[in-house]
Amino acid sequence: DTAVSQTPKYLVTQMGNDKSIKCEQNLGHDTMYWYKQDSKKFLKIMFSYNNKELIINETVPNRFSPKSPDKAHLNLHINSLELGDSAVYFCASSQGRTTGIGETQYFGPGTRLLVL
Amino acid sequence: QKEVEQDPGPLSVPEGAIVSLNCTYSNSAFQYFMWYRQYSRKGPELLMYTYSSGNKEDGRFTAQVDKSSKYISLFIRDSQPSDSATYLCAMRSGSEKLVFGKGTKLTVNP
Repeated sequence: DTAVSQTPKYLVTQMGNDKSIKCEQNLGHDTMYWYKQDSKKFLKIMFSYNNKELIINETVPNRFSPKSPDKAHLNLHINSLELGDSAVYFCASSQGRTTGIGETQYFGPGTRLLVL
Repeated sequence: QKEVEQDPGPLSVPEGAIVSLNCTYSNSAFQYFMWYRQYSRKGPELLMYTYSSGNKEDGRFTAQVDKSSKYISLFIRDSQPSDSATYLCAMRSGSEKLVFGKGTKLTVNP
């Protein structure tokens, strides 16, 4: 059983298109995250939701909009895709709001987005 | 100055070598320190975590934190080809977000 799953694994699309990436976790965790990893492997948080409430919203273009229909799902919608959006997007989840010692974040396998 | 600095490598060692991976940081409020391992085309997985200063050992892996120098290390003893991966340090203060280093790519040659 995959703990944190993402779809699709690969996404190739044209500039200007709108696309969505879906994430699901079956760990019963309360908090979910979206990270972006660029070509140099730099991993940076974009958003975090706790029980469907947005708790972290980093400085990302408003073309990126997260949506959490329930605490097991966190989707990422991207409007008007640009070349610079090409990256690997990772979903992650954790039990709480990173307030405890050893709060572990479990990562999904990533979605490789290529904008042409 | 970036909050977390990590030499991206790449680092190539022979099997059996002792590997030392390091990160420095600038935010003195960081209290929780982690090392993640990321295999090619996979998501990061937590390898080690430490709270505040000190050492923590788990099998062949030892994590060290020196808060006075704002410096953390991960040592891998008797390195194996299966240890070949990118190692990312990560840290946070209290309830704030995790801040990652850029990762060091390690190759252990048989």
